[in-house]
Amino acid sequence: NAGVTQTPKFQVLKTGQSMTLQCAQDMNHEYMSWYRQDPGMGLRLIHYSVGAGITDQGEVPNGYNVSRSTTEDFPLRLLSAAPSQTSVYFCASALTAGPAFFGQGTRLTVV
Amino acid sequence: GENVEQHPSTLSVQEGDSAVIKCTYSDSASNYFPWYKQELGKRPQLIIDIRSNVGEKKDQRIAVTLNKTAKHFSLHITETQPEDSAVYFCAASNQGGGADGLTFGKGTHLIIQP
Repeated sequence: NAGVTQTPKFQVLKTGQSMTLQCAQDMNHEYMSWYRQDPGMGLRLIHYSVGAGITDQGEVPNGYNVSRSTTEDFPLRLLSAAPSQTSVYFCASALTAGPAFFGQGTRLTVV
Repeated sequence: GENVEQHPSTLSVQEGDSAVIKCTYSDSASNYFPWYKQELGKRPQLIIDIRSNVGEKKDQRIAVTLNKTAKHFSLHITETQPEDSAVYFCAASNQGGGADGLTFGKGTHLIIQP
């Protein structure tokens, strides 16, 4: 099993550009989520999904969209990148009552 | 919503000594409390977790205690080693395993002095 796979690992965007961060898991986990990590702030939940076709907002959802068309994939879309979205992004997946497993992260810089 | 406070933000201990990191949470409905270790440039990795029907859990040198009445839980690392140096995060969830996402503390940078 590859676990949770994120792409890309690094990305530089210009202000106003859009992009999609990819996340895939091969553990047949129902639950997937996206976090951003900023220095001194811990990890903050952006969006999460409890199954295919179901998504909901977390603590910091503004400026981001998600969709869950399959169990395996949970992409995160930045609609119009802003410097405030410079961060490290982590995707995670979990079983119904199990711990969350994280992908390797995407380091995004918006200039 | 849930709020998790974590202390201290930095902890320096001598190799071989014990380290304790404490967290408090606000939502009494929370019933799952994992701890993650994150090394520089790496992903967070689960090291131990506890559910609300248990007061203490141990795994070799690591233990977690939970006081539901006081709404706080702690990570204990005994006989610390250089490889324990990392940032540790506590988290809380009101689903069994973080199904609706976890609320994290801001992290503790643990430094093991040789």
